[in-house]
Amino acid sequence: DAGITQSPRHKVTETGTPVTLRCHQTENHRYMYWYRQDPGHGLRLIHYSYGVKDTDKGEVSDGYSVSRSKTEDFLLTLESATSSQTSVYFCAISDQGTGNTIYFGEGSWLTVV
Amino acid sequence: DAKTTQPTSMDCAEGRAANLPCNHSTISGNEYVYWYRQIHSQGPQYIIHGLKNNETNEMASLIITEDRKSSTLILPHATLRDTAVYYCIAHYNQGGKLIFGQGTELSVKP
Repeated sequence: DAGITQSPRHKVTETGTPVTLRCHQTENHRYMYWYRQDPGHGLRLIHYSYGVKDTDKGEVSDGYSVSRSKTEDFLLTLESATSSQTSVYFCAISDQGTGNTIYFGEGSWLTVV
Repeated sequence: DAKTTQPTSMDCAEGRAANLPCNHSTISGNEYVYWYRQIHSQGPQYIIHGLKNNETNEMASLIITEDRKSSTLILPHATLRDTAVYYCIAHYNQGGKLIFGQGTELSVKP
């Protein structure tokens, strides 16, 4: 298994509160991604990073921000959580050295009540 | 990244080969075809990828047509544990964002 750790794995929070999900990798991969998955929508890209301090938006970036101050950590922040952000969040990593194969973490289940 | 089209669902008998098709008619010359699968509630799992030539690994085979407009993922002897959603993605092998489609839900039946 790729060295990807997501935390927390499960969280329940209230509407309007800030939430930060952490993705930590031990593979020294250049690229890191955050996806969300909802019933009927498959996997949708939120943000991705192509290096330290280099990030870009994905398909569904509204309401989310990210930061990458170290190669190994990619943080996803919901500044003010809403019920529509209840979802499963997956972190992923890739690197050209491995043919750009993307490896996924096990997911973080977030419920906003 | 080029758009891909897959059937929504497929069934396969246990022990038989599962052939999952994917159309990517707008794929560019530098885009690879990647296959992933996702078993319920787990993170997606990499299966195989290729550019032009057919590829085989311990999990599956990938057959890409000569014009590269379509491909087929073959699971040679499907088991019940192969029941999952399979995603076909056309992607540049240089990093950058990876966009998933809806995938094919494969059900392997006894």
